[in-house]
Amino acid sequence: DVKVTQSSRYLVKRTGEKVFLECVQDMDHENMFWYRQDPGLGLRLIYFSYDVKMKEKGDIPEGYSVSREKKERFSLILESASTNQTSMYLCASSLTATAELAKNIQYFGAGTRLSVL
Amino acid sequence: AQSVAQPEDQVNVAEGNPLTVKCTYSVSGNPYLFWYVQYPNRGLQFLLKYITGDNLVKGSYGFEAEFNKSQTSFHLKKPSALVSDSALYFCAVRGKIWTGGFKTIFGAGTRLFVKA
Repeated sequence: DVKVTQSSRYLVKRTGEKVFLECVQDMDHENMFWYRQDPGLGLRLIYFSYDVKMKEKGDIPEGYSVSREKKERFSLILESASTNQTSMYLCASSLTATAELAKNIQYFGAGTRLSVL
Repeated sequence: AQSVAQPEDQVNVAEGNPLTVKCTYSVSGNPYLFWYVQYPNRGLQFLLKYITGDNLVKGSYGFEAEFNKSQTSFHLKKPSALVSDSALYFCAVRGKIWTGGFKTIFGAGTRLFVKA
C-alpha cells in the first residue's frame, strides 16, 4: 500500500513564526500536493510538484512556499505564520503527471492540524 | 472553468436504508470524476472513479456512482447504509492541465450521518 506520512498531526505556533510541514511518500510517486481543508470550502490546492525541484502554484499560494529536494519528500513552509493560516493541511501524492487517468489517483496523508495563535 | 458542486452539507440516513450523496460538475471536454471519503482524523481515501465506459461505476465498501452526462451529475450511492459509512465525502473532477499533468478540483464535501 502507498503510504503518505505527515510528520505532525497537531501543531500550535505563534503569529510570525516560520513553520515547516513535512510530507514523505514511499511509492516513488512523481506528483506531490499540498492542500488546506477548511469547513465548507473543501480542499484547496496550495502548491504542487511534479518532479524534484519543480513546483507550481495552486489556487491559494499566498503566504506559503514549498521545497522538494528529494523525490519522496515535499515540504510546505509558512514564512511568517498568521492566524488565518489556522487550518487542516493535507499532503497527497500520485503516480506520475502523464500517467493514464486510471492510475492518477491521489493518496493522502492523515493531515496536520495547525493552530496559529 | 471547471468546477464541482455538492449541494448538501449533510445527509442523514437510517442504517439499512439506501443513501445518495449528490455531485454536479462543470468541465470543458470529457469529464473525469472521482469520489473520496474522509473518516475522522484521517486523510482522504479513494472510493471510485469514472473515466469512460459504463455509466454505473462500482467502488470500495459497496459504494457505486452513476454518471449522467445530460444532467452533469455523478451521484454516489449505496443500497444499504451502515453506521460505519458515516464520514465526509468529497466529489472531485479533473481540472485544467498544467505543465505535464492535471489538477484535481474538489467539492466542498458532504457529511454523511448514518443513524443506527
